[in-house]
Amino acid sequence: KAGVTQTPRYLIKTRGQQVTLSCSPISGHRSVSWYQQTPGQGLQFLFEYFSETQRNKGNFPGRFSGRQFSNSRSEMNVSTLELGDSALYLCASKRTGIINDELFFGSGTQLSVL
Amino acid sequence: AQSVTQLGSHVSVSEGALVLLRCNYSSSVPPYLFWYVQYPNQGLQLLLKYTTGATLVKGINGFEAEFKKSETSFHLTKPSAHMSDAAEYFCAVTNSGGSNYKLTFGKGTLLTVNP
Repeated sequence: KAGVTQTPRYLIKTRGQQVTLSCSPISGHRSVSWYQQTPGQGLQFLFEYFSETQRNKGNFPGRFSGRQFSNSRSEMNVSTLELGDSALYLCASKRTGIINDELFFGSGTQLSVL
Repeated sequence: AQSVTQLGSHVSVSEGALVLLRCNYSSSVPPYLFWYVQYPNQGLQLLLKYTTGATLVKGINGFEAEFKKSETSFHLTKPSAHMSDAAEYFCAVTNSGGSNYKLTFGKGTLLTVNP
């Protein structure tokens, strides 16, 4: 069974550009969450989608947005990139919408903003 | 609101020694608690979780953690460290009720195992 797949693995952008990151959850998983990981702030929750609906959003500016498709695949978009957006972006999926269900993480997309 | 504090950003042990990684949480409702491990250039993997019931939870790779409500702690232990345990460990909390679907993570503890 394939794990959570994130593409691309590495990305280099310049300030002001926008970027789209993709996440394919484990087959049958309906919940997808996104986290930003940086050395200074650690892991911070971005948002969570379940059956194409955003159920919760973290404390990030509106430049960060996401969506989930009918096949549960998810994309995250960051517009008007800033240097501080450089981070590892992790996607995680789980089978159900239950809070304590196990999250399975992808290997992440390492975004560098120059 | 919920929060997690991991005491010690870096812990170093000798191979075969006890591993103890500390985690204290804050939650306004009964918490669900998790420990995740992250190896270099990889995502996070669940080690164990506490939801309800037995307060001593056993996980993968010989790790266990004990939920102590009176101390608001959920420390991770392993009796004998192995070289392969070298990684970063994250404690996380979420609320058992309401519509809060996010995990709040601690800053992480980097475990080094010396031969």
